Amino acid sequence: NAGVTQTPKFRILKIGQSMTLQCTQDMNHNYMYWYRQDPGMGLKLIYYSVGAGITDKGEVPNGYNVSRSTTEDFPLRLELAAPSQTSVYFCASSYVSLYNEQFFGPGTRLTVL
Amino acid sequence: KQEVTQIPAALSVPEGENLVLNCSFTDSAIYNLQWFRQDPGKGLTSLLLIQSSQREQTSGRLNASLDKSSGRSTLYIAASQPGDSATYLCAVNAGGTSYGKLTFGQGTILTVHP
Repeated sequence: NAGVTQTPKFRILKIGQSMTLQCTQDMNHNYMYWYRQDPGMGLKLIYYSVGAGITDKGEVPNGYNVSRSTTEDFPLRLELAAPSQTSVYFCASSYVSLYNEQFFGPGTRLTVL
Repeated sequence: KQEVTQIPAALSVPEGENLVLNCSFTDSAIYNLQWFRQDPGKGLTSLLLIQSSQREQTSGRLNASLDKSSGRSTLYIAASQPGDSATYLCAVNAGGTSYGKLTFGQGTILTVHP
């Protein structure tokens, strides 16, 4: 299993540009999550999904959109990028179980100039 | 709103020392608590997960304890090694309709020097 994979690894955007961060998991997990991590801080939840076709907002959703058309994929869309969105973005997934352990991807480092 | 705090923010120790990292949370109604390791520029690696009904979990030189009533967890690292240098994050899962969403502390940066 590849686990949770994210592309791209790095990206530089200009203010106002848009992009999609890709996330794929091959563990047949129901739940998927997007977090962002600012320097020296813990992670904050942006959006999450409990299954294909079902998504909901997390703590910091403004400026982002998500969709989940398949169990495997959970892309994060940035519209009209702003410097405040400079961060490292992590995708995670978990199986609905007693333990609900989350598994994380390697992250995407995004800079908005 | 759940808040998670980790103390200390940074810790530097000589190789071979036993050490304790602390994590506290404000709402004791948690489902589980997870400790992660993060190497510079990398993703998060799950170290230990403790269910709310458990008091501790062990993996190799790592031992995590949980005192839900007081809102505290500790991560004990025995006989530290330079390879243990990383940022350690704790995160709580409120369970139920939180759908596994995690609330993270800001992390403890650990440096183990030879």
